[in-house]
Amino acid sequence: KQEVTQIPAALSVPEGENLVLNCSFTDSAIYNLQWFRQDPGKGLTSLLLIQSSQREQTSGRLNASLDKSSGRSTLYIAASQPGDSATYLCAVRDDKIIFGKGTRLHILP
Amino acid sequence: NAGVTQTPKFRVLKTGQSMTLLCAQDMNHEYMYWYRQDPGMGLRLIHYSVGEGTTAKGEVPDGYNVSRLKKQNFLLGLESAAPSQTSVYFCASRLSGTSGTDTQYFGPGTRLTVL
Repeated sequence: KQEVTQIPAALSVPEGENLVLNCSFTDSAIYNLQWFRQDPGKGLTSLLLIQSSQREQTSGRLNASLDKSSGRSTLYIAASQPGDSATYLCAVRDDKIIFGKGTRLHILP
Repeated sequence: NAGVTQTPKFRVLKTGQSMTLLCAQDMNHEYMYWYRQDPGMGLRLIHYSVGEGTTAKGEVPDGYNVSRLKKQNFLLGLESAAPSQTSVYFCASRLSGTSGTDTQYFGPGTRLTVL
């Protein structure tokens, strides 16, 4: 059974710092891994999708990496801003889509 | 394109009442999903559908039923609501197949309270 874990559960960093969020999964037989952002009381917005054959994807200040063999992904956020404060979720797709519980990120002005 | 829409946005039920949540997508997606999100539990898959007329159970299907009579709509039913079903419900859809390229799109959520 696929399990997805995100560490840490919560993180506070000063504005301007670079940071890394972690996601691990137990079964490497996945089609892709997706990172989402969720603002309080809102739905999920897709940030980056990494196919199983890819190693990383970039969008602006965000970079996501995937190491399927070790069952790990990281989301790197450069030069963090207060507007980056949100919960970040990763999800892996095999025959279903399984989510981690998320990392609650707070950027301190 | 409206994307994925959910109706209603909020609902309060009494224990034992029934209701149906509607999810609609206008992107011609084959796959549709219903999740519930609870504090500290993340998103858990209730039921999903891989195409019109099909449904399958997810992680937490008990107490829910679904139907996919039309490709664009995925209905989630609660026959006899219980307080444990108080949650935020999200619908999602994606294009199709075993390709790893398709993104999952989410609706805005339905906040359900069962008293």
